Amino acid sequence: DADVTQTPRNRITKTGKRIMLECSQTKGHDRMYWYRQDPGLGLRLIYYSFDVKDINKGEISDGYSVSRQAQAKFSLSLESAIPNQTALYFCATGDGSYEQYFGPGTRLTVT
Amino acid sequence: AQSVTQLGSHVSVSEGALVLLRCNYSSSVPPYLFWYVQYPNQGLQLLLKYTSAATLVKGINGFEAEFKKSETSFHLTKPSAHMSDAAEYFCAVSDRGGNQFYFGTGTSLTVIP
Repeated sequence: DADVTQTPRNRITKTGKRIMLECSQTKGHDRMYWYRQDPGLGLRLIYYSFDVKDINKGEISDGYSVSRQAQAKFSLSLESAIPNQTALYFCATGDGSYEQYFGPGTRLTVT
Repeated sequence: AQSVTQLGSHVSVSEGALVLLRCNYSSSVPPYLFWYVQYPNQGLQLLLKYTSAATLVKGINGFEAEFKKSETSFHLTKPSAHMSDAAEYFCAVSDRGGNQFYFGTGTSLTVIP
């Protein structure tokens, strides 16, 4: 089984809808991250969390919110989706050794 | 503030030829530097990392990178390209706390038979 899983893997939604992307990990890591990937822009950090009570904004947090329900779960929400949030979203974990472990990604399309 | 710049969004090499992917960094403190690879429809996986030990870092699949402080560079090389090396490659930098990682825009490597 994969160490970092993301659900759903693909999602098409309409403008204005609320959507949640979920991430679960079995690596036992305290650190979890959400990134979005856009062609030509690389990966940009949305939010990160170092434990259940520690949530931090990243480079591009506007329009997003997160919830760290447990050490193993970190969810990303788009309260009111807009087309420019169409992207590939990655969850990652880290153990503080400077290596990150990425999930397979969620491809989100907002129409 | 930290950032990385990857020169060349697309690189093509012949099978068996040298692979050179360029990365320059900007950091106000000694950086930690990374190369990640992304195969189609997959997440990123770590190729190698520099964390202030040896300046020449060896990674998986025959890749290596050299940290050159005077040139603020961390270029990725492989002596002989294989078809399976075709992928997207990302350079990244982190502060010494490992709190945040900043990724480059990526370089797509094509290997020509």
